[in-house]
Amino acid sequence: SAVISQKPSRDICQRGTSLTIQCQVDSQVTMMFWYRQQPGQSLTLIATANQGSEATYESGFVIDKFPISRPNLTFSTLTVSNMSPEDSSIYLCSVEMPSHEQYFGPGTRLTVT
Amino acid sequence: AQSVTQPDIHITVSEGASLELRCNYSYGATPYLFWYVQSPGQGLQLLLKYFSGDTLVQGIKGFEAEFKRSQSSFNLRKPSVHWSDAAEYFCAVGARDKIIFGKGTRLHILP
Repeated sequence: SAVISQKPSRDICQRGTSLTIQCQVDSQVTMMFWYRQQPGQSLTLIATANQGSEATYESGFVIDKFPISRPNLTFSTLTVSNMSPEDSSIYLCSVEMPSHEQYFGPGTRLTVT
Repeated sequence: AQSVTQPDIHITVSEGASLELRCNYSYGATPYLFWYVQSPGQGLQLLLKYFSGDTLVQGIKGFEAEFKRSQSSFNLRKPSVHWSDAAEYFCAVGARDKIIFGKGTRLHILP
């Protein structure tokens, strides 16, 4: 398994601002993922972040809105840019282990006012 | 296209009763299948997974799931639920590069 931490755990932000969420894992992993979970909803994959390459975004998500960095094998950041109330969600990072299991961080609860 | 259907949005069972949560998937090949649990305010915890082999898989917390290829199903079961099992349960299907989640089933436990 893997131990994953996220910062911040929660934040309240004003519309038009940006927030960067950090994800740290306790072991080196190739694949990291960022998900969004809107209130009362399931998880939606935003993008896949592999070290040393550009993130791959899912349909409906763009780099200008959700820039991602992956500087090494244990760390990634997701920025939510130019926020609006519709961006209020829980943002989760996950990692895939060699066993193909995905483990999730505790999430970042974002409220945009 | 990959998809996961959890037909029950809410399920209520009495403590000590048995539980079955339904999951159907659509995928072009033999999928990887997962069940995750999310307690209120918590992240997701992996309960169990199926990759290949024995179609009845055992997980943590006394849960098990059975893969039925003919029915494209991967239902989660527990013989006797505890109040602490109240949570949201997500079925997921995936290949190496992506996992698709169902909409979840919220489990309520009656004392």
